[in-house]
Amino acid sequence: KQEVTQIPAALSVPEGENLVLNCSFTDSAIYNLQWFRQDPGKGLTSLLLIQSSQREQTSGRLNASLDKSSGRSTLYIAASQPGDSATYLCAVPFSGGYNKLIFGAGTRLAVHP
Amino acid sequence: SAVISQKPSRDICQRGTSLTIQCQVDSQVTMMFWYRQQPGQSLTLIATANQGSEATYESGFVIDKFPISRPNLTFSTLTVSNMSPEDSSIYLCSVDGDSGGTDTQYFGPGTRLTVL
Repeated sequence: KQEVTQIPAALSVPEGENLVLNCSFTDSAIYNLQWFRQDPGKGLTSLLLIQSSQREQTSGRLNASLDKSSGRSTLYIAASQPGDSATYLCAVPFSGGYNKLIFGAGTRLAVHP
Repeated sequence: SAVISQKPSRDICQRGTSLTIQCQVDSQVTMMFWYRQQPGQSLTLIATANQGSEATYESGFVIDKFPISRPNLTFSTLTVSNMSPEDSSIYLCSVDGDSGGTDTQYFGPGTRLTVL
């Protein structure tokens, strides 16, 4: 059964720092991995999707890497800003599937000025 | 991409009552998904709704408690029946970007439910 773990659970940093959020999963047979952002009381915004054949994806100050063999993904946030404060969730499809997602518990990020 | 709206955005309900949540998508999609996010927790999949067939429920969720309708390719409803305070959660619908698992998933803004 697929399980997703995110470390750390919470992170508080001063503005400008570069950050690394970690996600691990137990079943390496995944179609893809997605990183989402959730603001308090809001829905989810997709940040990056990495296909199983890819090693990384970049969008602006965000870079996500995927190492299927070790069951790990990292989300790198460069030059953090207070507007980056949110909960970051990683998700992978159910084992043997591709569109029903299992989520990690998330990393709650606070970037202070 | 897909734009998803949900109604209501939030509600406060009395125990023992039922609430129906609506999910509307701006394009036709094959599958729609309903998730629950309990306070301080991550998202858990409740069920998958396909147009023209019965919804498929995940372990721990049953149709009597969470009946789902999918009358067409752009709309679905989730009913939370006979509510108790433990049902207080954010309920979110999502859709697959389609194309066989190579696309992202899109989520609605969620319905925040409080049961007293």
